[in-house]
Amino acid sequence: DTAVSQTPKYLVTQMGNDKSIKCEQNLGHDTMYWYKQDSKKFLKIMFSYNNKELIINETVPNRFSPKSPDKAHLNLHINSLELGDSAVYFCASSHALKRGSPLHFGNGTRLTVT
Amino acid sequence: DQQVKQNSPSLSVQEGRISILNCDYTNSMFDYFLWYKKYPAEGPTFLISISSIKDKNEDGRFTVFLNKSAKHLSLHIVPSQPGDSAVYFCAASAQGGSEKLVFGKGTKLTVNP
Repeated sequence: DTAVSQTPKYLVTQMGNDKSIKCEQNLGHDTMYWYKQDSKKFLKIMFSYNNKELIINETVPNRFSPKSPDKAHLNLHINSLELGDSAVYFCASSHALKRGSPLHFGNGTRLTVT
Repeated sequence: DQQVKQNSPSLSVQEGRISILNCDYTNSMFDYFLWYKKYPAEGPTFLISISSIKDKNEDGRFTVFLNKSAKHLSLHIVPSQPGDSAVYFCAASAQGGSEKLVFGKGTKLTVNP
């Protein structure tokens, strides 16, 4: 009964490939996010969806495309993978409209591009 | 440009003593602050938060202090337990909620038995 689950946990792939990471939350939250933790350990927001609508899109290459089929799911597709994409990607969710509602994170997907 | 700074990458304390983790921020628009705890191979988990209208918030062994004039907050853990050993992230938001949280780099706390 994991609250925010993302798959796969590990992803090793070669440069130029296309890959997807899936995320699902069963908390009934209305907003979902993708965060990236790079080699310097910073957690930075990439995207945010509220009720399937994109509300935050930070400076992320167009090769990254989030898809939210419903408010419980937010997938991340990455085209033409590059070495610099290697990082840990965290999915998260929250009640954005509920002031003070904290983020709930998944356990992360460690992406290694070789 | 780091808007949220955790200048101590690591901290080691003895079990039963106080752990004090510090965080500084530069953006005066931040009005909501959170602390997250992260174990290896897991996602960050919410620990405690504080709104800018308060200067202290307490939850069991965890207390967060906010000094707005100094743009500084700290997390106190008393008494520290070995299970508290983790990486602690400070985060801030300018919108009073979880949207667009800005995280620090984290401080690795080790509590020695």
